[in-house]
Amino acid sequence: GAVVSQHPSRVICKSGTSVKIECRSLDFQATTMFWYRQFPKKSLMLMATSNEGSKATYEQGVEKDKFLINHASLTLSTLTVTSAHPEDSSFYICSARDLAGKDTQYFGPGTRLTVL
Amino acid sequence: GQSLEQPSEVTAVEGAIVQINCTYQTSGFYGLSWYQQHDGGAPTFLSYNALDGLEETGRFSSFLSRSDSYGYLLLQELQMKDSASYFCAVLSSGGSYIPTFGRGTSLIVHP
Repeated sequence: GAVVSQHPSRVICKSGTSVKIECRSLDFQATTMFWYRQFPKKSLMLMATSNEGSKATYEQGVEKDKFLINHASLTLSTLTVTSAHPEDSSFYICSARDLAGKDTQYFGPGTRLTVL
Repeated sequence: GQSLEQPSEVTAVEGAIVQINCTYQTSGFYGLSWYQQHDGGAPTFLSYNALDGLEETGRFSSFLSRSDSYGYLLLQELQMKDSASYFCAVLSSGGSYIPTFGRGTSLIVHP
């Protein structure tokens, strides 16, 4: 199957700093990437849909100025958590939709963010 | 909007068969997917059903009944490594073809 990478896999930062997470589709082009957040023992919460070359579409309740998303190419989307606070600590997962179809979505390995 | 219901937890013993059900409500249904997620890991795709019936992939099978808005994941010959969370996700035009995930079912396999 297709491969999606995420970097970093784990990050610990101080409160007030910004953290950038990269999501790459390694062997296919993805016009659409999704960013999810997951709390322990909970389901995936969609944060935003990232479309190549256009602004991201944020879900209700997600602060767009807090979670900056850039999808500059067909293989790369970035999520920047700005001025991170302890409540932003979570597991962030990206996924990419293959150009070929609506029904194929591949997940990255996730990024564990801990804000001290 | 979209909504999905699945049991929060299922337990079974090694070698057994277990069925995880998923009912959904949506408009413009397109397909139902299943994902497996181990603790600390990301979801991995298991199966996808767009048409009624059973799809078999090794020990795992997935079933869909569009008229009943219902599907299930069937796991056979359970192994300890199958202990994980299993999510169903619905894809629909009403949801702009963005998958909506259920809350997940925690499967615990005992020796």
